Amino acid sequence: DAGITQSPRHKVTETGTPVTLRCHQTENHRYMYWYRQDPGHGLRLIHYSYGVKDTDKGEVSDGYSVSRSKTEDFLLTLESATSSQTSVYFCAISSGTGSTEAFFGQGTRLTVV
Amino acid sequence: DQQVKQNSPSLSVQEGRISILNCDYTNSMFDYFLWYKKYPAEGPTFLISISSIKDKNEDGRFTVFLNKSAKHLSLHIVPSQPGDSAVYFCAARSSGGYQKVTFGTGTKLQVIP
Repeated sequence: DAGITQSPRHKVTETGTPVTLRCHQTENHRYMYWYRQDPGHGLRLIHYSYGVKDTDKGEVSDGYSVSRSKTEDFLLTLESATSSQTSVYFCAISSGTGSTEAFFGQGTRLTVV
Repeated sequence: DQQVKQNSPSLSVQEGRISILNCDYTNSMFDYFLWYKKYPAEGPTFLISISSIKDKNEDGRFTVFLNKSAKHLSLHIVPSQPGDSAVYFCAARSSGGYQKVTFGTGTKLQVIP
C-alpha cells in the first residue's frame, strides 16, 4: 500500500470555525490532490498540487485553501466551516508517470454542526 | 459542468455473469482514463486504466473499452464475483503538465450470489 496518511480521520466542528486537514505521504510523489465525496456527486476535486508551493484550484474550491510547503505534506484548510462542507475528504497522490494512477488515503469524515 | 458522467447509479448482476459499467466524457483533451473501486469506509483503489490512443486494455477479469468517437468507455468484469460489489468510479486525466484528474459520480455494483 502507498504510504499516505490523512489526519484526523474523524472530526466534528462548529459552523464558523477554521479546520485544517492534513495529508502526509512517504512516497515522494510530485502530485497531491484533495477530493470530497458526497452522495450523488461522486468525487469532486477541491485543490491539487503539482509541486512544492505549486497549487491550483479544482472544481469546488470555494471556501477552501491549501498549502504545500514540503513534498510530503498537503494541508487543506476550511477558513470558516459551513454545514455544506460536511463531507468525506480524500487525499490522493500520484507520481505523474505512466498511467498516472493515484493512490488514495483512507479519508476524513468531517461534520460541521 | 460534469465532464465525466456515469449515468447508472446502480447495477445488479448475478454471480458468474458479466458486469458492464459505462462512462461518458465531454472533454476531448483527456489523455488517460481510469477506473477505481471503492468499498465503504475506505479510499478508492485503482483498478485499470487505458490510454486515449488505445481502444482496449485487459487485466485478468477486467477489461476497459474506449470509443473515442463516441466519447464513451466501459468496464467489463467477467465473471462477476460477490467481492466485486463496490462503487466504481470512472476518471479521466487532462493532458498537459498538471495531471488534473476528474471523476464521475460512481456506479454501485451489487453482485448477487
